[in-house]
Amino acid sequence: GAGVSQSPSNKVTEKGKDVELRCDPISGHTALYWYRQSLGQGLEFLIYFQGNSAPDKSGLPSDRFSAERTGGSVSTLTIQRTQQEDSAVYLCASSLGYGPLPTDTQYFGPGTRLTVL
Amino acid sequence: AQTVTQSQPEMSVQEAETVTLSCTYDTSESDYYLFWYKQPPSRQMILVIRQEAYKQQNATENRFSVNFQKAAKSFSLKISDSQLGDAAMYFCAYRNDYKLSFGAGTTVTVRA
Repeated sequence: GAGVSQSPSNKVTEKGKDVELRCDPISGHTALYWYRQSLGQGLEFLIYFQGNSAPDKSGLPSDRFSAERTGGSVSTLTIQRTQQEDSAVYLCASSLGYGPLPTDTQYFGPGTRLTVL
Repeated sequence: AQTVTQSQPEMSVQEAETVTLSCTYDTSESDYYLFWYKQPPSRQMILVIRQEAYKQQNATENRFSVNFQKAAKSFSLKISDSQLGDAAMYFCAYRNDYKLSFGAGTTVTVRA
């Protein structure tokens, strides 16, 4: 079946502009995750959704970052007033459930490479 | 907080040979999961292998196997009969609830 998809694949923006990154999880997966991969910080957890609610937003680096999920499916990560340090690859993952079971393995999308000039 | 350490930034292996990637982690939990993910230049993170901490038997997936030493908090990945398609960055990851904590990664180069 179809895997996790993300769009756009690449995004170049100017400092101060807002951007929206989209994630389409695997059909039927209830949990969705956003991670950020940057040269300096490696892979960092950003936020996690159970259905449409986000019990853990602890990884969002600042209040310029927000995310929502609608219909228990598509999620959008929004970065307002982008800064150069926001340049990174943003990865989305989904899992069938959100517990410690093997079926809760996270499957990743191809990521969005964001470049802030 | 859990930390995952991969001490080998780069590893090189001859095609058809074996390479072992190291990973150590720090946790006070007794029940958790460990993973190896592969990330080729396409950026897609691909699950290679998974190990449940409560299982003593080491996980194996075709040419990929792990050496899980719970007391030592060590989780190494062995790639046997290396193929050109194995060239990628490999990440060790820990999970005890829902959040994955990743190591810094090891870049594997396969020489023809």
